[in-house]
Amino acid sequence: QKEVEQNSGPLSVPEGAIASLNCTYSDRGSQSFFWYRQYSGKSPELIMSIYSNGDKEDGRFTAQLNKASQYVSLLIRDSQPSDSATYLCAVSFKTIFGAGTRLFVKA
Amino acid sequence: GAVVSQHPSRVICKSGTSVKIECRSLDFQATTMFWYRQFPKQSLMLMATSNEGSKATYEQGVEKDKFLINHASLTLSTLTVTSAHPEDSSFYICSARSGGRRDEQFFGPGTRLTVL
Repeated sequence: QKEVEQNSGPLSVPEGAIASLNCTYSDRGSQSFFWYRQYSGKSPELIMSIYSNGDKEDGRFTAQLNKASQYVSLLIRDSQPSDSATYLCAVSFKTIFGAGTRLFVKA
Repeated sequence: GAVVSQHPSRVICKSGTSVKIECRSLDFQATTMFWYRQFPKQSLMLMATSNEGSKATYEQGVEKDKFLINHASLTLSTLTVTSAHPEDSSFYICSARSGGRRDEQFFGPGTRLTVL
């Protein structure tokens, strides 16, 4: 089993819809979880960090963490075409990355 | 967010030469810096973890004699690709961990290396 798993997509959503991105991890002892956005040819940009169970909201983004299920997700509300990118889930500060989910938001 | 710079942003070199890439945290002191490599359409692969004043910790399969890492200060780490070959062509990205109360990791803009 890979340490961090994501559905590679592509995930296609219409503009204005909610995009839901999911990630599972194998190390039950992990304490730090991050979502990054990466545009083609660019380096990752931190969107959200989450450390405790529950939801964390920042603008149109909500990160959800469930340590019992070893599951972390990212919701993007009111998706915009500019949100089209690859979203990377990362676990721990050694930062093991998932393969990323490509999101397309159709105008 | 915090700012991490990399230099150069792009380099083209001949096979057999060495290339040095600098990574700087501009507005914070980084407890740890990381070096990643990303091939086209693939995810980031951690190469090594670097702490100021100590030897870098390399991931399995990464040749420490080929990828030399020097972490001279809390704001500067360098990666030298020695005797580069075409298969080393990739996107190299560093990141820096801020530590402290809001402990997060910030990425540099990346260096695209092309070895001819």
